[in-house]
Amino acid sequence: EDQVTQSPEALRLQEGESSSLNCSYTVSGLRGLFWYRQDPGKGPEFLFTLYSAGEEKEKERLKATLTKKESFLHITAPKPEDSATYLCAVQAGGSYIPTFGRGTSLIVHP
Amino acid sequence: NAGVTQTPKFQVLKTGQSMTLQCAQDMNHNSMYWYRQDPGMGLRLIYYSASEGTTDKGEVPNGYNVSRLNKREFSLRLESAAPSQTSVYFCASTDAGTTYYEQYFGPGTRLTVT
Repeated sequence: EDQVTQSPEALRLQEGESSSLNCSYTVSGLRGLFWYRQDPGKGPEFLFTLYSAGEEKEKERLKATLTKKESFLHITAPKPEDSATYLCAVQAGGSYIPTFGRGTSLIVHP
Repeated sequence: NAGVTQTPKFQVLKTGQSMTLQCAQDMNHNSMYWYRQDPGMGLRLIYYSASEGTTDKGEVPNGYNVSRLNKREFSLRLESAAPSQTSVYFCASTDAGTTYYEQYFGPGTRLTVT
């Protein structure tokens, strides 16, 4: 059974304090790992797709990396507007169904 | 380009009432999904439609039915609502095929069953 575990469940940072969110997974034949951002009261919004170990993608203050067992979402010098819940999902080969983690709630204090 | 739209945004039902949640996407995506999101439980898949004309059960299908009306529209019906169905419901779509693509989500429907 595919499993996705995100840690920590919650993270509080001061503005400018860099940190990382973790997504560890067990899946038979990874075909894609996805990161989403979800603001309160809204639907998840796509951030990144990673397809193979060693791949990295960046967007503004966010950088996602992938190994064979986990993915990290690095947040560099975060701002209060980066506060949100970050969701990770994996998709196995041959499946139309992604498996989601429960998310990390990030709060960045000014 | 509206993306994924959902109606209604909010709904309050009494136990035993029925309702249909509507979802439409304008991205010409093949696959569509219905999720529910509850505190501490994350996103749980209710039903999905891999392509027009097909539907399949997800993790928590009991008490729900779906209809893939056409390529654009995918509705979720609660025949006899129960308090346990109080949740936030999200519709999503993706252009699934030989490559695995991200999902695009609607804004959600917040349902309360009393």
